[in-house]
Parts: sequence; structure tokens; C-alpha cells
Amino acid sequence: SQTIHQWPATLVQPVGSPLSLECTVEGTSNPNLYWYRQAAGRGLQLLFYSVGIGQISSEVPQNLSASRPQDRQFILSSKKLLLSDSGFYLCAWSPGQLREKLFFGSGTQLSVL
Amino acid sequence: EDQVTQSPEALRLQEGESSSLNCSYTVSGLRGLFWYRQDPGKGPEFLFTLYSAGEEKEKERLKATLTKKESFLHITAPKPEDSATYLCAVQASGYGNKLVFGAGTILRVKS
Repeated sequence: SQTIHQWPATLVQPVGSPLSLECTVEGTSNPNLYWYRQAAGRGLQLLFYSVGIGQISSEVPQNLSASRPQDRQFILSSKKLLLSDSGFYLCAWSPGQLREKLFFGSGTQLSVL
Repeated sequence: EDQVTQSPEALRLQEGESSSLNCSYTVSGLRGLFWYRQDPGKGPEFLFTLYSAGEEKEKERLKATLTKKESFLHITAPKPEDSATYLCAVQASGYGNKLVFGAGTILRVKS
């Protein structure tokens, strides 16, 4: 069966520090991968998605970037965090076919102070 | 602009008090409407996918229905363990495989 791992679960970082969140998927190949951010009381905002290695699409201009160095690995990064980067970050995957649901990781709660 | 709106924002029910959550959408070329349950501090957990108007799906105390403009998540005789945030999302032509989420409904069921 397929599983998705996301870490760390919580992270407290000072403003201006770098960020690296990692997500890996097991039990499937060539998945579509996604990074979402969820602000308190808000819906999920799509940040990046990837349909293959090295292929990244950005949905929202921001201080963040994403990379997909391996088929089942997706990384969310920032060189210098801003206060506004605080939030709950979720990684997700789908089989890549139309009409397929997303499977979410457990999330990372990021607090930038 | 395409939009997904959920109502109410929050709902408090007594155990056993049935109710419905609403998800209205304005998208072109709906491919699917998805319902998720999210517990605090956790990732969303998939509940249902509905593809066409008139379709219904059930799971335990939950039943999801779909019309051309909205979906309802009916909760029959809820229990405290049904307390969670319920999210709906739509997938539509022009969005590819991407899901657009509503803000969610926070449900609290008191015993």
C-alpha cells in the first residue's frame, strides 16, 4: 500500500532563517506531488505541484520554492523566512490520473518568530 | 472567478442531532467534488468523491449528495467522534488535476 511521509511535524524558525521541509511517498511510482499551505480558519492554498522529476509548477508568487530531486521526493524550501510564511504545510500525492483524489501527509506546523 | 464556498463556518450539534453541511461551487467543467475530514493538527482524510449531479455516496453516519451547483454532507445522528473540520474541494477542467478547496466547516458534536 502507498504511504506518504512528511517531516518535521512542528518547526519554529526565526525570521530570515532558511527552511527545508521534506516529503516522500512509498508504494507508487511517478505520482503527482503537491505542497499546500493552510492558514488558521482558511482553506488549503496550493503552492506547488509536480508531475515528474525536475518539473515544478508554482501557483502563487512567494518566498518559497520547491524541488523534486527524485521520483517520490518533494522538498519545500526558503532561503529567508518571513513572518507571513507561518502556517500549516501539507504535502499530498495523487496517481496522476484525472478524477483521482489526493492523499495527504500529516502536515508540518511552521511558526516563524 | 471560480470559487468554492462552504457553510456554515462552524456548527455545534448535540449528539444525535442530524444536520447538513453545504458546499457551493461556481466552476466550469466539473470533473469531481471531494469531501475530506480533517482533525486538528492532522492532514485531511478522504471521505467521498462525487462526479455527476444526482450522485450520492454514504459512509457510516455520513451521506454526500451533489447537484449542479452544490453538494451537501448530511450527518445523521452524529457522535462526538464526528467532531472535525470538513473540507470540500472541486476538480475542474482548466485546473488539470489540481483541487480547489473551500475554507471548511468546523463541526463540534457535544454529548
